[in-house]
Amino acid sequence: DAGVTQSPTHLIKTRGQQVTLRCSPKSGHDTVSWYQQALGQGPQFIFQYYEEEERQRGNFPDRFSGHQFPNYSSELNVNALLLGDSALYLCASSLGTGSVQYFGPGTRLTVT
Amino acid sequence: AQSVAQPEDQVNVAEGNPLTVKCTYSVSGNPYLFWYVQYPNRGLQFLLKYITGDNLVKGSYGFEAEFNKSQTSFHLKKPSALVSDSALYFCAVRDRTGTASKLTFGTGTRLQVTL
Repeated sequence: DAGVTQSPTHLIKTRGQQVTLRCSPKSGHDTVSWYQQALGQGPQFIFQYYEEEERQRGNFPDRFSGHQFPNYSSELNVNALLLGDSALYLCASSLGTGSVQYFGPGTRLTVT
Repeated sequence: AQSVAQPEDQVNVAEGNPLTVKCTYSVSGNPYLFWYVQYPNRGLQFLLKYITGDNLVKGSYGFEAEFNKSQTSFHLKKPSALVSDSALYFCAVRDRTGTASKLTFGTGTRLQVTL
């Protein structure tokens, strides 16, 4: 039974560029949440997608956007990258919006 | 707003000894509480959760946690630590109200278990 998968594993971008991160949820899960984990910090909630709609959003600017596809996979897009966007981006999936969230291995984004 | 505090950046314990990793929370109403563990260059692995019922919750790998409503705490415990338990541990809280389901995490506690 495949767990949550994320791609790519690592990514290096330049300030001002745009990036897309991808997530496939655990088999049977229909809800995807995205978190940003800066070095030495706990994960911070970005947003959650359920039924292809953004259901909840954390305190992140509009430069952060997402999408959920009919097969429940999800993308996180970040525009106009800043140095401060360098972090580990974690995707978590769950069955419905209220159940336990299971995390993927993350995508390490470095902005130079 | 909900919040979590993990007052210890690092906890050191000898293998075979009991361990405790502390967590206190703040949330309106009754909380859902979680513990996750993170190994180097890995995502978070779910350990256990408190939803309702018994204040002592048992989870994976011999870990357990004690919910204390009056002290708003949810400390993680294990009777006998292993070197392989060395990792970064995160406590998280979720509000029960409405459909809100975002997790709010603490800053993490590094557990170091030595021989």
